[in-house]
Amino acid sequence: EAGVVQSPRYKIIEKKQPVAFWCNPISGHNTLYWYRQNLGQGPELLIRYENEEAVDDSQLPKDRFSAERLKGVDSTLKIQPAELGDSAVYLCASSWGGNTEAFFGQGTRLTVV
Amino acid sequence: KNEVEQSPQNLTAQEGEFITINCSYSVGISALHWLQQHPGGGIVSLFMLSSGKKKHGRLIATINIQEKHSSLHITASHPRDSAVYICAAYGGATNKLIFGTGTLLAVQP
Repeated sequence: EAGVVQSPRYKIIEKKQPVAFWCNPISGHNTLYWYRQNLGQGPELLIRYENEEAVDDSQLPKDRFSAERLKGVDSTLKIQPAELGDSAVYLCASSWGGNTEAFFGQGTRLTVV
Repeated sequence: KNEVEQSPQNLTAQEGEFITINCSYSVGISALHWLQQHPGGGIVSLFMLSSGKKKHGRLIATINIQEKHSSLHITASHPRDSAVYICAAYGGATNKLIFGTGTLLAVQP
């Protein structure tokens, strides 16, 4: 069974440019998470979806970040415009829902220069 | 103070040693994850447990709900076990996954 797939693995952009990350969760998983992980720290939740509904986006910087999960399957996370402080690893995870086991993708390492 | 605390933050061991990583939490939880992250890699789920003990190969995870404490043990450690080990708890009013800051393990040959 394929795991959580993220792309791209790496992205380098100049500040003020837009960037988008894509996530394909495990088939059948209703819950999808986007996390940001800064170097040497644990992941922090940006947004959580239950099917196509964003049920927790309290930590998403909505002035520049947006996310969508059309049809309750794949999801994209966008940053526009990117800032130097956005350099981090962006992780996508999925689960059956509730407090069931979460499975993580390989992450996208973003470098803003 | 973080709701999920891990110790030690850094750990260096010799190949073959028995390793223990500890996780303490201050919130009520419904379940706890142990995760592994290699440098530059994604996060792999090792265990999810809500009581007792689980074993997979050389890895053992235990949890004591009353004491709000969990441990991850690695027997006969190997250099390929070198990674960051993260404890994450489903807890709080919103049942969010709350992450510890991780333990960086280096196993030397």
